[in-house]
Amino acid sequence: ETGVTQTPRHLVMGMTNKKSLKCEQHLGHNAMYWYKQSAKKPLELMFVYNFKEQTENNSVPSRFSPECPNSSHLFLHLHTLQPEDSALYLCASSRLQGTDTQYFGPGTRLTVL
Amino acid sequence: AQSVSQHNHHVILSEAASLELGCNYSYGGTVNLFWYVQYPGQHLQLLLKYFSGDPLVKGIKGFEAEFIKSKFSFNLRKPSVQWSDTAEYFCAAAVYAGGTSYGKLTFGQGTILTVHP
Repeated sequence: ETGVTQTPRHLVMGMTNKKSLKCEQHLGHNAMYWYKQSAKKPLELMFVYNFKEQTENNSVPSRFSPECPNSSHLFLHLHTLQPEDSALYLCASSRLQGTDTQYFGPGTRLTVL
Repeated sequence: AQSVSQHNHHVILSEAASLELGCNYSYGGTVNLFWYVQYPGQHLQLLLKYFSGDPLVKGIKGFEAEFIKSKFSFNLRKPSVQWSDTAEYFCAAAVYAGGTSYGKLTFGQGTILTVHP
C-alpha cells in the first residue's frame, strides 16, 4: 500500500463509451501524474499536475481529458477511445513536481473493444 | 530527446546467482536516477534512488546501484538473488532543469527478471 489508490482496477469499454478513471493520494503530495504502460514499451508520461495546475501534456490525444479538482484527486476522462488505447494506466504522486520520488498506484487495466 | 535504455528485456537466473541489470541515460548534466520494481500483481515501487553524493547507492532487499557519470550508467546489482526477486525492473531518470526543478521522469523499457528456485 503506497497511499495512492486507483479505481476501477479493471475497465472494459466500447469505442463509443465515456468513462472516467479516478486516482486519490493520501500522502499530502502536491504533484500528480498519469502514465500509460503498454506491453513492451517504456512507461509513458501523459499528464502532470502541480498544485492543481496542469504543467505537462505529453502530446496526448484529446480523447483523454484530465481533471485535478484538488491536490488529492486526479481524474482521467475517456471518450471515443481506440483499441490501441488498451493499456495499464498508472497514477503517481510526489511531494513536488520532478524533484522527488514518485509513488504509484496499482493502476487501471483498460480494455477498449 | 532524453532517453533511458535498459540492455536486457528478460533475464533468467537461478537462486543465489549474482545479478546486474544495465541502465544508460542519454543526456549530460545533473540527473536524478531511480530504479523501480513491479512484483507480479503489485504496484510499481521504489527500489533505490540517486540524487547526489556517494555514487554507490544501497536500496531495499539487498539491491544496490552504481552511478558512473562518465559512462552515463546506473546499473543495478544484487550479489545473490532469491526467487522472491522475480519481478519487472525499471530504470528512470529526471534531468535537472534549473533552480529546484527537474524535468519529467523518463523510464526505460523495463527488464523482466525470472529467478528459478
